[in-house]
Amino acid sequence: AQSVTQLDSQVPVFEEAPVELRCNYSSSVSVYLFWYVQYPNQGLQLLLKYLSGSTLVKGINGFEAEFNKSQTSFHLRKPSVHISDTAEYFCAVSDLFSASGTYKYIFGTGTRLKVLA
Amino acid sequence: DGGITQSPKYLFRKEGQNVTLSCEQNLNHDAMYWYRQDPGQGLRLIYYSQIVNDFQKGDIAEGYSVSREKKESFPLTVTSAQKNPTAFYLCASSIGAPTQGMYGYTFGSGTRLTVV
Repeated sequence: AQSVTQLDSQVPVFEEAPVELRCNYSSSVSVYLFWYVQYPNQGLQLLLKYLSGSTLVKGINGFEAEFNKSQTSFHLRKPSVHISDTAEYFCAVSDLFSASGTYKYIFGTGTRLKVLA
Repeated sequence: DGGITQSPKYLFRKEGQNVTLSCEQNLNHDAMYWYRQDPGQGLRLIYYSQIVNDFQKGDIAEGYSVSREKKESFPLTVTSAQKNPTAFYLCASSIGAPTQGMYGYTFGSGTRLTVV
């Protein structure tokens, strides 16, 4: 079965420093990859997604992610973070999981990014 | 603006009670989903619906029930059979069906359910 691993449960970083949030997934033939952000007591908001094509994907709020098929990774990066980026970030894989052609989202356990002044 | 409205934002349930969480969307999306979020566990799928009057169990459907009588509405009932219902519940919708995995989800702002 498909799985998503976010090894870092918390990442503290100083304001204006770069950050990388790691995401690894188990291999699959057909998979789509997503990053979502969740602010406290809010729902999730889509940051970016990888479907096919260029392995570098740009999203909202200055975030980008790189798809690496050989390492089965989809790490999220931002060159310079702001206090307002403090939130929880979820990596998700949309994986074909049934003969009926149904896809299923599998979420990682999240990484809490804390930006320090 | 289009979006998903979940209500109430906070809900308290006594032992043995059934409670219903509301989810309404005006995005004209066919597919709707309910997720449960617990600290450190990510999101787990409870139920999903592709079209009106049709819904499927997710990974943790036991103790929950849903209905889809209208395209816009997908309420979730947490029954007394759910032994550990305290959690944050998120409703989502997608423009694509579950057979089209490339579409992202739009989420509501959630309902926090607490058993008292």
